[in-house]
Amino acid sequence: AIQMTQSPSSLSASVGDRITITCRASQDIRNDLGWYQQKPGKAPKLLIYAASTLQSGVPSRFSGSGSDTDFTLTISSLQPEDFATYYCLQEYNYPLTFGGGTKVEIK
Amino acid sequence: EVQLVESGGNLVQPGGSLRLSCAASGFTSSDHYMDWVRQAPGKGLEWVGRTRNKANTYTSEYAASVRGRFTISRDDSKNSLYLQMNSLKIEDTAVYYCARAYYYGSGGSGSYPYYYMDVWGKGTTVTVSS
Repeated sequence: AIQMTQSPSSLSASVGDRITITCRASQDIRNDLGWYQQKPGKAPKLLIYAASTLQSGVPSRFSGSGSDTDFTLTISSLQPEDFATYYCLQEYNYPLTFGGGTKVEIK
Repeated sequence: EVQLVESGGNLVQPGGSLRLSCAASGFTSSDHYMDWVRQAPGKGLEWVGRTRNKANTYTSEYAASVRGRFTISRDDSKNSLYLQMNSLKIEDTAVYYCARAYYYGSGGSGSYPYYYMDVWGKGTTVTVSS
Protein backbone atom coordinates (compact mmCIF):
# COMPACT_ATOMS: atom_id res chain seq x y z
CA ALA A 1 0.00 0.00 0.00
CA ILE A 2 1.11 3.57 -0.68
CA GLN A 3 2.17 5.37 2.47
CA MET A 4 1.22 9.03 2.81
CA THR A 5 3.40 11.00 5.21
CA GLN A 6 2.08 14.37 6.32
CA SER A 7 4.06 17.06 8.07
CA PRO A 8 3.94 18.68 10.45
CA SER A 9 1.56 16.64 12.60
CA SER A 10 0.50 19.85 14.29
CA LEU A 11 1.21 23.54 14.08
CA SER A 12 0.26 26.71 15.93
CA ALA A 13 -0.48 29.82 13.95
CA SER A 14 -2.23 33.16 14.21
CA VAL A 15 -5.10 34.61 12.24
CA GLY A 16 -3.68 36.11 9.07
CA ASP A 17 -0.67 33.78 8.91
CA ARG A 18 0.30 31.88 5.78
CA ILE A 19 0.72 28.18 6.47
CA THR A 20 1.86 25.22 4.42
CA ILE A 21 1.22 21.53 5.04
CA THR A 22 3.11 18.88 3.12
CA CYS A 23 2.24 15.36 2.11
CA ARG A 24 4.74 12.89 0.69
CA ALA A 25 3.75 9.68 -1.08
CA SER A 26 5.90 6.56 -0.89
CA GLN A 27 5.66 6.21 -4.67
CA ASP A 28 4.66 8.28 -7.70
CA ILE A 29 0.92 9.03 -7.59
CA ARG A 30 0.87 11.50 -10.50
CA ASN A 31 -1.46 14.25 -9.26
CA ASP A 32 -4.14 11.95 -7.82
CA LEU A 33 -4.34 13.57 -4.40
CA GLY A 34 -7.03 15.31 -2.42
CA TRP A 35 -7.01 17.51 0.66
CA TYR A 36 -9.71 17.36 3.32
CA GLN A 37 -10.55 19.54 6.31
CA GLN A 38 -12.13 18.08 9.44
CA LYS A 39 -13.43 19.96 12.44
CA PRO A 40 -14.04 18.23 15.78
CA GLY A 41 -17.13 16.03 15.75
CA LYS A 42 -17.79 16.74 12.07
CA ALA A 43 -17.36 14.85 8.83
CA PRO A 44 -14.41 15.69 6.58
CA LYS A 45 -14.86 18.26 3.83
CA LEU A 46 -13.18 18.14 0.43
CA LEU A 47 -11.02 21.22 -0.23
CA ILE A 48 -8.76 20.32 -3.17
CA TYR A 49 -8.79 17.49 -5.71
CA ALA A 50 -6.35 16.42 -8.40
CA ALA A 51 -3.63 18.07 -6.27
CA SER A 52 -4.45 21.64 -7.24
CA THR A 53 -8.12 22.07 -8.22
CA LEU A 54 -10.24 23.98 -5.74
CA GLN A 55 -13.52 22.28 -4.87
CA SER A 56 -16.58 24.42 -5.61
CA GLY A 57 -17.43 26.74 -2.74
CA VAL A 58 -14.03 26.54 -1.06
CA PRO A 59 -12.41 29.94 -0.39
CA SER A 60 -9.56 30.94 -2.68
CA ARG A 61 -7.15 31.34 0.25
CA PHE A 62 -6.78 27.55 0.01
CA SER A 63 -4.46 26.24 -2.68
CA GLY A 64 -2.74 22.98 -3.51
CA SER A 65 0.31 22.12 -5.53
CA GLY A 66 2.63 19.27 -6.34
CA SER A 67 2.84 16.09 -8.34
CA ASP A 68 4.49 12.66 -8.31
CA THR A 69 5.45 12.26 -4.63
CA ASP A 70 5.45 15.72 -3.05
CA PHE A 71 2.40 17.85 -2.41
CA THR A 72 1.50 20.95 -0.44
CA LEU A 73 -1.63 22.59 0.90
CA THR A 74 -1.31 26.32 1.53
CA ILE A 75 -3.66 28.64 3.37
CA SER A 76 -2.64 32.16 2.37
CA SER A 77 -4.25 34.03 5.26
CA LEU A 78 -5.51 31.87 8.10
CA GLN A 79 -9.04 32.64 9.25
CA PRO A 80 -10.68 31.66 12.57
CA GLU A 81 -12.80 29.02 10.82
CA ASP A 82 -9.69 27.34 9.37
CA PHE A 83 -8.53 25.92 12.69
CA ALA A 84 -9.08 22.23 12.08
CA THR A 85 -7.29 19.03 11.13
CA TYR A 86 -6.24 18.54 7.51
CA TYR A 87 -5.72 15.23 5.73
CA CYS A 88 -4.33 14.29 2.36
CA LEU A 89 -5.70 11.26 0.50
CA GLN A 90 -4.17 9.43 -2.43
CA GLU A 91 -6.66 8.16 -5.01
CA TYR A 92 -3.99 6.71 -7.34
CA ASN A 93 -4.63 3.09 -6.46
CA TYR A 94 -6.25 0.76 -3.96
CA PRO A 95 -6.15 0.66 -1.04
CA LEU A 96 -6.77 4.39 -0.80
CA THR A 97 -4.64 5.87 1.95
CA PHE A 98 -4.88 9.01 4.05
CA GLY A 99 -2.03 10.92 5.56
CA GLY A 100 -1.83 11.01 9.33
CA GLY A 101 -3.32 14.49 9.59
CA THR A 102 -2.12 17.96 10.53
CA LYS A 103 -3.85 19.74 13.38
CA VAL A 104 -3.84 23.51 12.96
CA GLU A 105 -4.24 25.26 16.31
CA ILE A 106 -4.52 28.86 17.41
CA LYS A 107 -1.29 30.40 18.69
CA GLU B 1 -30.31 18.86 -1.08
CA VAL B 2 -27.66 16.22 -1.57
CA GLN B 3 -27.37 14.26 1.66
CA LEU B 4 -26.13 11.01 3.18
CA VAL B 5 -27.42 9.65 6.47
CA GLU B 6 -25.78 6.68 8.18
CA SER B 7 -27.47 4.46 10.74
CA GLY B 8 -27.02 1.11 12.44
CA GLY B 9 -24.10 1.82 14.72
CA ASN B 10 -24.21 0.04 18.06
CA LEU B 11 -22.31 -1.70 20.82
CA VAL B 12 -21.37 -5.24 19.75
CA GLN B 13 -19.21 -7.96 21.27
CA PRO B 14 -15.97 -9.11 19.67
CA GLY B 15 -16.72 -11.71 17.03
CA GLY B 16 -20.17 -10.30 16.43
CA SER B 17 -21.78 -8.80 13.34
CA LEU B 18 -23.39 -5.51 12.47
CA ARG B 19 -24.86 -3.94 9.35
CA LEU B 20 -24.57 -0.23 8.74
CA SER B 21 -26.87 1.64 6.37
CA CYS B 22 -26.36 4.82 4.42
CA ALA B 23 -29.41 6.48 2.89
CA ALA B 24 -28.78 8.87 0.01
CA SER B 25 -31.06 11.72 -0.98
CA GLY B 26 -30.88 14.44 -3.60
CA PHE B 27 -29.02 12.22 -6.06
CA THR B 28 -29.14 8.69 -7.47
CA SER B 29 -26.57 6.66 -5.60
CA SER B 30 -26.41 3.93 -8.26
CA ASP B 31 -24.83 6.47 -10.63
CA HIS B 32 -21.90 7.03 -8.28
CA TYR B 33 -19.00 5.28 -6.66
CA MET B 34 -19.56 5.17 -2.89
CA ASP B 35 -17.11 4.79 -0.01
CA TRP B 36 -16.96 3.87 3.64
CA VAL B 37 -14.36 5.63 5.79
CA ARG B 38 -13.84 5.19 9.52
CA GLN B 39 -12.18 7.07 12.34
CA ALA B 40 -11.17 5.39 15.58
CA PRO B 41 -11.46 7.52 18.73
CA GLY B 42 -8.79 10.22 18.71
CA LYS B 43 -7.23 8.86 15.50
CA GLY B 44 -7.05 9.79 11.86
CA LEU B 45 -9.17 8.78 8.90
CA GLU B 46 -8.98 5.24 7.49
CA TRP B 47 -10.52 4.22 4.17
CA VAL B 48 -12.57 1.04 4.55
CA GLY B 49 -13.87 0.27 1.08
CA ARG B 50 -15.45 1.44 -2.15
CA THR B 51 -18.18 0.16 -4.41
CA ARG B 52 -18.22 1.25 -8.02
CA ASN B 53 -21.37 2.45 -9.76
CA LYS B 54 -23.98 0.46 -11.65
CA ALA B 55 -22.23 1.10 -14.96
CA ASN B 56 -19.19 -0.64 -13.51
CA THR B 57 -21.26 -3.52 -12.12
CA TYR B 58 -20.92 -2.51 -8.50
CA THR B 59 -17.53 -4.14 -8.03
CA SER B 60 -15.81 -3.33 -4.75
CA GLU B 61 -12.39 -2.72 -3.22
CA TYR B 62 -11.47 -3.07 0.46
CA ALA B 63 -8.73 -2.15 2.88
CA ALA B 64 -6.58 -5.08 3.91
CA SER B 65 -7.69 -4.67 7.53
CA VAL B 66 -11.33 -5.51 6.66
CA ARG B 67 -11.08 -7.63 3.52
CA GLY B 68 -12.90 -10.94 4.00
CA ARG B 69 -14.84 -9.62 7.01
CA PHE B 70 -16.66 -6.56 5.62
CA THR B 71 -18.90 -6.42 2.55
CA ILE B 72 -20.39 -3.41 0.82
CA SER B 73 -23.75 -3.76 -0.89
CA ARG B 74 -26.49 -1.58 -2.30
CA ASP B 75 -30.26 -1.45 -2.66
CA ASP B 76 -31.12 0.78 -5.59
CA SER B 77 -34.82 0.70 -4.76
CA LYS B 78 -33.98 2.38 -1.45
CA ASN B 79 -31.18 4.54 -2.84
CA SER B 80 -29.03 3.08 -0.09
CA LEU B 81 -25.62 1.64 0.65
CA TYR B 82 -24.74 -0.93 3.29
CA LEU B 83 -21.69 -2.18 5.15
CA GLN B 84 -21.99 -5.70 6.50
CA MET B 85 -19.39 -6.20 9.21
CA ASN B 86 -18.63 -9.71 10.45
CA SER B 87 -16.07 -11.13 12.88
CA LEU B 88 -15.77 -7.72 14.52
CA LYS B 89 -12.65 -6.88 16.46
CA ILE B 90 -12.01 -4.33 19.17
CA GLU B 91 -9.92 -2.35 16.70
CA ASP B 92 -12.99 -1.90 14.48
CA THR B 93 -14.35 0.55 17.06
CA ALA B 94 -14.82 3.83 15.19
CA VAL B 95 -17.15 6.37 13.71
CA TYR B 96 -18.10 5.08 10.26
CA TYR B 97 -18.80 7.57 7.49
CA CYS B 98 -20.25 6.91 4.08
CA ALA B 99 -19.24 9.24 1.28
CA ARG B 100 -20.01 9.78 -2.37
CA ALA B 101 -16.95 9.49 -4.61
CA TYR B 102 -17.77 11.96 -7.35
CA TYR B 103 -16.32 11.67 -10.84
CA TYR B 104 -14.31 14.81 -11.58
CA GLY B 105 -13.32 13.98 -15.11
CA SER B 106 -10.07 12.48 -16.30
CA GLY B 107 -6.41 13.30 -16.12
CA GLY B 108 -3.51 12.32 -18.31
CA SER B 109 -5.33 13.24 -21.52
CA GLY B 110 -8.26 11.12 -20.49
CA SER B 111 -6.27 8.07 -19.51
CA TYR B 112 -7.36 7.90 -15.88
CA PRO B 113 -10.46 9.07 -14.00
CA TYR B 114 -10.56 11.28 -10.93
CA TYR B 115 -12.85 10.22 -8.08
CA TYR B 116 -12.97 12.21 -4.86
CA MET B 117 -15.27 12.07 -1.82
CA ASP B 118 -17.35 15.21 -2.13
CA VAL B 119 -20.40 14.45 0.05
CA TRP B 120 -20.19 12.84 3.48
CA GLY B 121 -22.68 11.69 6.06
CA LYS B 122 -22.40 12.67 9.72
CA GLY B 123 -21.29 9.19 10.72
CA THR B 124 -22.52 6.36 12.93
CA THR B 125 -20.62 4.97 15.92
CA VAL B 126 -19.61 1.32 16.22
CA THR B 127 -18.21 0.12 19.53
CA VAL B 128 -16.77 -3.37 19.77
CA SER B 129 -16.34 -4.37 23.38
CA SER B 130 -17.10 -7.22 25.75
